[in-house]
Amino acid sequence: AQTVTQSQPEMSVQEAETVTLSCTYDTSESNYYLFWYKQPPSRQMILVIRQEAYKQQNATENRFSVNFQKAAKSFSLKISDSQLGDTAMYFCAFMPLNFGNEKLTFGTGTRLTIIP
Amino acid sequence: DTEVTQTPKHLVMGMTNKKSLKCEQHMGHRAMYWYKQKAKKPPELMFVYSYEKLSINESVPSRFSPECPNSSLLNLHLHALQPEDSALYLCASSPDRGETQYFGPGTRLLVL
Repeated sequence: AQTVTQSQPEMSVQEAETVTLSCTYDTSESNYYLFWYKQPPSRQMILVIRQEAYKQQNATENRFSVNFQKAAKSFSLKISDSQLGDTAMYFCAFMPLNFGNEKLTFGTGTRLTIIP
Repeated sequence: DTEVTQTPKHLVMGMTNKKSLKCEQHMGHRAMYWYKQKAKKPPELMFVYSYEKLSINESVPSRFSPECPNSSLLNLHLHALQPEDSALYLCASSPDRGETQYFGPGTRLLVL
């Protein structure tokens, strides 16, 4: 079974600063995807970024980037130039690419508040 | 377009009522999902449909009954729910199983 751990229940940062959210996971699978989703107060779950385990290059999407360390089973999210709209709950998620078992496992989330 | 729509946005029902939640996507995705999310918790998978067939049922009580009438539509029929079933119900879809899931805005359900 897979587990996803987010050790920071809450974080806050000043607007325009950079913040890094941590995520570690445990799996025996060799082929998988990792995701960061954000869930603002509106409660819609929004995809932030995806990383394929077979890719060594870290994924980036505009102000969002990841630090993927496969051997350490670590997958952190960096948000640069943080904006008020980044205030949300952030979930790290893992999905094995194992036919019949492609279930998304979420961490417990990190509540991020951007302070004006 | 990565839009998944859900109706209604909010639903209040009594324990003897029968109601349905609806989820729709027009992205040509062939996998659709129902999740339940309690406050301050991550989503929990309930059901997975793949090519309109139920492929995963996470031991969900029979008072929740999913239905996939066509490749664009996923329903969740509710009957004789309990107050502890009050939660946000999220629908998601993906091009196929094992691909990125896109979520709808959810239905907030309150069972009285």
